[in-house]
Amino acid sequence: QKEVEQDPGPLSVPEGAIVSLNCTYSNSAFQYFMWYRQYSRKGPELLMYTYSSGNKEDGRFTAQVDKSSKYISLFIRDSQPSDSATYLCAMSVEEQAGTALIFGKGTTLSVSS
Amino acid sequence: ETGVTQSPTHLIKTRGQQVTLRCSSQSGHNTVSWYQQALGQGPQFIFQYYREEENGRGNFPPRFSGLQFPNYSSELNVNALELDDSALYLCRAGDEQYFGPGTRLTVT
Repeated sequence: QKEVEQDPGPLSVPEGAIVSLNCTYSNSAFQYFMWYRQYSRKGPELLMYTYSSGNKEDGRFTAQVDKSSKYISLFIRDSQPSDSATYLCAMSVEEQAGTALIFGKGTTLSVSS
Repeated sequence: ETGVTQSPTHLIKTRGQQVTLRCSSQSGHNTVSWYQQALGQGPQFIFQYYREEENGRGNFPPRFSGLQFPNYSSELNVNALELDDSALYLCRAGDEQYFGPGTRLTVT
């Protein structure tokens, strides 16, 4: 079993839809959780960074962490064609500089206009 | 704009050759880490350097090596290239959760 599991999709939705992206993990030591967006042939771009369980909202994006279930989610409201990208979840045991991030495989999202 | 730059943007090498990739950041960071992202996969941690010393390594063979310089720039060196080394190589500087744009390496 991989440490971080993420359904690769692809996921196709119409513009304006609510998108739900999810990851599960097996290592209960993970404390820090991130979501990255990656456009084709580009480096990952940090979207959300959370520490504790619960919800964190930033504009159209909401990150949710459930440590008891080892499950994290990213919700995108009012999805736009510009949201079409690969979304990667990542997590780490510590926050300190250089701590290795463990990534999921990424979910490819396509939003059609 | 993350302030992390990588060079070259892309390059093509032949199996068995050696390659050096570079990373620098606008502001100095004690720590730099490198990741390999194969096509269709998430990034995989290669190693990290803190104050010019390697202090963490993922599941990569010794032919993957690195350097960190006093100006906090860094190099990733890969010897005896294999076809499976074809990937996007990403650099992450300091305690930021940000990555550089990556170097795309193709091994033929």
